[in-house]
Amino acid sequence: EVQLVESGGGLVQPGGSLRLSCAASGFTVSSNYMSWVRQAPGKGLEWVSVIYSGGSTYYADSVKGRFTISRDNSKNTLYLQMNSLRAEDTAVYYCARVVAGTLGLLDPWGQGTLVTVSS
Amino acid sequence: EIVMTQSPATLSVSPGERATLSCRASQSVSSNLAWYQQKPGQAPRLLIYGASTRATGIPARFSGSGSGTEFTLTISSLQSEDFAVYYCQQYNNWPFFGQGTKLEIK
Repeated sequence: EVQLVESGGGLVQPGGSLRLSCAASGFTVSSNYMSWVRQAPGKGLEWVSVIYSGGSTYYADSVKGRFTISRDNSKNTLYLQMNSLRAEDTAVYYCARVVAGTLGLLDPWGQGTLVTVSS
Repeated sequence: EIVMTQSPATLSVSPGERATLSCRASQSVSSNLAWYQQKPGQAPRLLIYGASTRATGIPARFSGSGSGTEFTLTISSLQSEDFAVYYCQQYNNWPFFGQGTKLEIK
């Protein structure tokens, strides 16, 4: 069964850092495009970042220069390193696999992990 | 950036009736359009991709249509479990989502 499980969310102060993890099972992370999407409380979905199988990475303008997407092939895990966090980064963060042959069709999704940026 | 606009923001429909949700792209996305369903406290679930292809396990009462810039999601006979928020998403390039349509019980 293909499954994604996020972890690492929590409460962090403005300006702080946090690293999210997304453990995959049933498929190989490094052979797929993988993405992060976030959802602020009561709001819609916002694409955050993608990493291609070849290693290229791309970011939404709102997080560029502050967030870094990466993966550990030995652990079959995707990461999102978040630095210089702001209140507006407060959201549930989902990881998702990009369907092969597309640039951004997302399936499946993990259950999400909540990041709260507050003093 | 391609802007996705959904309408209406909220749709009130009675169980057993038909619901029609709309999505418009600011420029053509061909048929690279998906619909997701999200229930409270859950992750989004893929319903439709390629504008009109149902994802695995999605009931036939869900159908999608359109191409280019205008798209529609139709739920033919609403069941209680269908009341949720629906998002359209283009994947012609970076995935951008509409703001969502909340489908509520009338």
